[in-house]
Amino acid sequence: EDQVTQSPEALRLQEGESSSLNCSYTVSGLRGLFWYRQDPGKGPEFLFTLYSAGEEKEKERLKATLTKKESFLHITAPKPEDSATYLCAVQVPGGGNKLTFGTGTQLKVEL
Amino acid sequence: DAGVTQSPTHLIKTRGQHVTLRCSPISGHKSVSWYQQVLGQGPQFIFQYYEKEERGRGNFPDRFSARQFPNYSSELNVNALLLGDSALYLCASSLEGVQGYGYTFGSGTRLTVV
Repeated sequence: EDQVTQSPEALRLQEGESSSLNCSYTVSGLRGLFWYRQDPGKGPEFLFTLYSAGEEKEKERLKATLTKKESFLHITAPKPEDSATYLCAVQVPGGGNKLTFGTGTQLKVEL
Repeated sequence: DAGVTQSPTHLIKTRGQHVTLRCSPISGHKSVSWYQQVLGQGPQFIFQYYEKEERGRGNFPDRFSARQFPNYSSELNVNALLLGDSALYLCASSLEGVQGYGYTFGSGTRLTVV
């Protein structure tokens, strides 16, 4: 069965203190790995899709990378507005467009 | 452009009742998926519909059903509600077959079963 594990469960950073969130996965095959941001009471907001090991994508202070077993979401010089839950999800071949999500990392950035 | 629209935003139901949740996808999106998100967990896949056909079903009991209409909007129905059905129900739409395009989620319907 496809599994996605995210760590840490929660992370508290000072403004400007860079860090990384981890998403490890066990799948029969990978069609895509997705990162989403979710604010309280809202639906997930799409950030990135990664398809193959070695791929990297950037958006403002966020950078996502992918290896054969895990993905990292690097946050450089975070600001309080980056506070949210970050969700990782995988899509596998033959699964339609079903996404299997991890439980998320709750990030809090303080002044 | 309007995003994914879900209604109602909040709902309180009694155990044993039936509920219908509605979703309108982004214009041009023909695929709609439903997810259940319990507090503190990631979303869990319930159904996917594409061009009015069921394309996938998650590990949920038969009390859960869905359908997609000719205008690509969708309904999720849950019968005989249990306390454990309390959750945020999310709808996501996508351009089927377009690589690199993320799934756009609505803001969800918060269902509370008492």
